Amino acid sequence: NAGVTQTPKFQVLKTGQSMTLQCAQDMNHNSMYWYRQDPGMGLRLIYYSASEGTTDKGEVPNGYNVSRLNKREFSLRLESAAPSQTSVYFCASSSGTQVRETQYFGPGTRLLVL
Amino acid sequence: SQQGEEDPQALSIQEGENATMNCSYKTSINNLQWYRQNSGRGLVHLILIRSNEREKHSGRLRVTLDTSKKSSSLLITASRAADTASYFCATARAGSYQLTFGKGTKLSVIP
Repeated sequence: NAGVTQTPKFQVLKTGQSMTLQCAQDMNHNSMYWYRQDPGMGLRLIYYSASEGTTDKGEVPNGYNVSRLNKREFSLRLESAAPSQTSVYFCASSSGTQVRETQYFGPGTRLLVL
Repeated sequence: SQQGEEDPQALSIQEGENATMNCSYKTSINNLQWYRQNSGRGLVHLILIRSNEREKHSGRLRVTLDTSKKSSSLLITASRAADTASYFCATARAGSYQLTFGKGTKLSVIP
């Protein structure tokens, strides 16, 4: 039981490049989330998916797109990366369909945009 | 916007001492959660306290919630070097489906 896994662990992009961050969970959870964490800051919600087939914007969705591929997988795409998107990205999941439940986090993806 | 704000921002104690961290928030909540983050790792859920609860315990952890003061505290008793981490409170506001995280308290436990 791996929990929540994320790939890649670290990525360097040039401004304007695109990339997709992958997330998968093996806990049969209904809800999945993407957060970003910047130095000295708490986590900010980018997008979430309350259940398979649905996605909703969080606090900071601009510049990102998401896909809930199936119940296990939830990807985050940066279409045209900007230096302001340099951050650590965390994927999380929870068993129910409400964001306010206990969440289980992946190890994070460190993204540097030059 | 930040709903929960932890205090202090940083705390350094000797092993065996107790550590207390506080969290204040602004609006009515459904529940409040505490998470731990070790350096370079993801967050780990510690405890969830609902708005109709006043105190919860889990091992060496004690969480209190005072909804009239819109504040919560996390007490770690008999701290260990392994407790060195950042601790975040997260609030689930009534009427919102989002968890809002504070900026965290960085705890250092000196052996």
